[in-house]
Amino acid sequence: DQQVKQNSPSLSVQEGRISILNCDYTNSMFDYFLWYKKYPAEGPTFLISISSIKDKNEDGRFTVFLNKSAKHLSLHIVPSQPGDSAVYFCAARGQGGSEKLVFGKGTKLTVNP
Amino acid sequence: KAGVTQTPRYLIKTRGQQVTLSCSPISGHRSVSWYQQTPGQGLQFLFEYFSETQRNKGNFPGRFSGRQFSNSRSEMNVSTLELGDSALYLCASSLYPGSFETAFFGQGTRLTVV
Repeated sequence: DQQVKQNSPSLSVQEGRISILNCDYTNSMFDYFLWYKKYPAEGPTFLISISSIKDKNEDGRFTVFLNKSAKHLSLHIVPSQPGDSAVYFCAARGQGGSEKLVFGKGTKLTVNP
Repeated sequence: KAGVTQTPRYLIKTRGQQVTLSCSPISGHRSVSWYQQTPGQGLQFLFEYFSETQRNKGNFPGRFSGRQFSNSRSEMNVSTLELGDSALYLCASSLYPGSFETAFFGQGTRLTVV
């Protein structure tokens, strides 16, 4: 049972445009969400996070939005750059400071020059 | 500062065999987590070790086991390999358990079971 779902396996956008990556979750006990970026032949790297008490967190070109009622979060990248081409994983942490993360299957973003 | 080192990088094993993968964390990091990445399931948590103790375990069969040594290096072992165990195995190290934002991942070990 996939508790964190990234329904789009891939996304292609033009350089300079906005990239929107989506993530849905089913467990209402999740209280902290993270996005990781993974290049081929490298391990994932942390990108941005958001607590369930917030609905938006911004870091430079990256913004994460959380809609708790819809159990949905999205990562916006503006403007998109070719170097952003990677696989993006959404992850969620259980309530109460759980030390386990549940990941989605990832979305492969391709930014075309 | 050296990164997280996983060895070997690639491995081919036959069904029924066992395999041991190694992870050397960043110096000073005492927490090591292991993940399995497959195209069908994405990244799945296997287990986490801190100060030589397993703190958390994911939903994997008992064929998957691990341990951590006093120098924080960790090994994971998979016995009686099945074709479905073919995957990229990633480890991540951090200072403390749950330090997700400051965890560093290794490049992974690509295991192929034939």
